[in-house]
Amino acid sequence: DTAVSQTPKYLVTQMGNDKSIKCEQNLGHDTMYWYKQDSKKFLKIMFSYNNKELIINETVPNRFSPKSPDKAHLNLHINSLELGDSAVYFCASSQMDRGSYGYTFGSGTRLTVV
Amino acid sequence: AQSVTQLGSHVSVSEGALVLLRCNYSSSVPPYLFWYVQYPNQGLQLLLKYTTGATLVKGINGFEAEFKKSETSFHLTKPSAHMSDAAEYFCAVSGNTGNQFYFGTGTSLTVIP
Repeated sequence: DTAVSQTPKYLVTQMGNDKSIKCEQNLGHDTMYWYKQDSKKFLKIMFSYNNKELIINETVPNRFSPKSPDKAHLNLHINSLELGDSAVYFCASSQMDRGSYGYTFGSGTRLTVV
Repeated sequence: AQSVTQLGSHVSVSEGALVLLRCNYSSSVPPYLFWYVQYPNQGLQLLLKYTTGATLVKGINGFEAEFKKSETSFHLTKPSAHMSDAAEYFCAVSGNTGNQFYFGTGTSLTVIP
């Protein structure tokens, strides 16, 4: 029973298209995140939601729009995809009042824009 | 404010040799410290963590790390490297709340047969 699940695992699409990545966690955590991992493996936080409320919104093009319908789900929609959006996107979850728990990550979505 | 520095973006060791991956942190509060491992084409998996208590922490796959407050370090070690240890390793620090989480830039471990 996967704790944090992302779909799809691979996504290949053409420039200019719009795509979505979905994330679900069954850990009962109240906070979820999107991270972008570039080709050098550097992890950059993009967004964070706590109980459906946006709490972290890093400098990310507004073509990226997160949506959290409930605290167990966090989706990422990307409009007008560009070559530079190619990366691995990770969803993660944590419990806001328990820094000692750390984060639990999904297996990632490898996005390739051609 | 918190931050993490991982010295050495690439480390190569021979199979059977000691693995040492370095991590230093800065934190204005007592930190929680983590090591995550990312195997090729996979997500990040928790290797071990320090919260309170014993400063030598044991994790999965024979890895361990020691929290040294005086040196602000949390280096990861394994006595004998296996080929299967080849992966990307991330050190991270957290404060009391779950959204104060900072990753290092990662260290890629290569194991030479």
